[in-house]
Amino acid sequence: SAVISQKPSRDICQRGTSLTIQCQVDSQVTMMFWYRQQPGQSLTLIATANQGSEATYESGFVIDKFPISRPNLTFSTLTVSNMSPEDSSIYLCSVVPTGGYETQYFGPGTRLLVL
Amino acid sequence: GDSVTQMEGPVTLSEEAFLTINCTYTATGYPSLFWYVQYPGEGLQLLLKATKADDKGSNKGFEATYRKETTSFHLEKGSVQVSDSAVYFCALRPNTNAGKSTFGDGTTLTVKP
Repeated sequence: SAVISQKPSRDICQRGTSLTIQCQVDSQVTMMFWYRQQPGQSLTLIATANQGSEATYESGFVIDKFPISRPNLTFSTLTVSNMSPEDSSIYLCSVVPTGGYETQYFGPGTRLLVL
Repeated sequence: GDSVTQMEGPVTLSEEAFLTINCTYTATGYPSLFWYVQYPGEGLQLLLKATKADDKGSNKGFEATYRKETTSFHLEKGSVQVSDSAVYFCALRPNTNAGKSTFGDGTTLTVKP
């Protein structure tokens, strides 16, 4: 398994500003993902964070709006840029541990409210 | 592409009632199947998993069996408790290093005393 922490756990932000969310894992992992969960909805994959290279974004998500970094095998950041109220969601970091490609684990999430 | 269909909610049960949440899937190949649980205000926790046909995953009194012939992975519990109130997500993940998970829409369970 993997223990995942996220910072901040929640935040209230003004529209037009940006927020960077950090994800730290207690062990090296093969894959790291960022998801969005809008209120009362299921999970939507934003992107796969690639170590040492640009993230791979899903349809409907772009790097200018959601820049992602992954400088090493245990850490990643997601920035939500130029926020609007529609960005109010839970943002979840998720990992697949090295050697355990079938199981995906999730962080506790960051609850973002944009006013 | 892959898809997961969950029983629509919300589901409301009395304490000690029997729970079934249906989940069916479509996928190429032989994916692994999962149930995740999300308690209020928290992230997703892995509840149980099954990686091949006829496997039974179990945890905390919950069970689900990987049925390839019916492409199903229904979640069951014999006697629910108030503390089981949460949102339950069925998911599949291809058995490849580059596979992406597919999630159902989630089923909200409320257990009343």
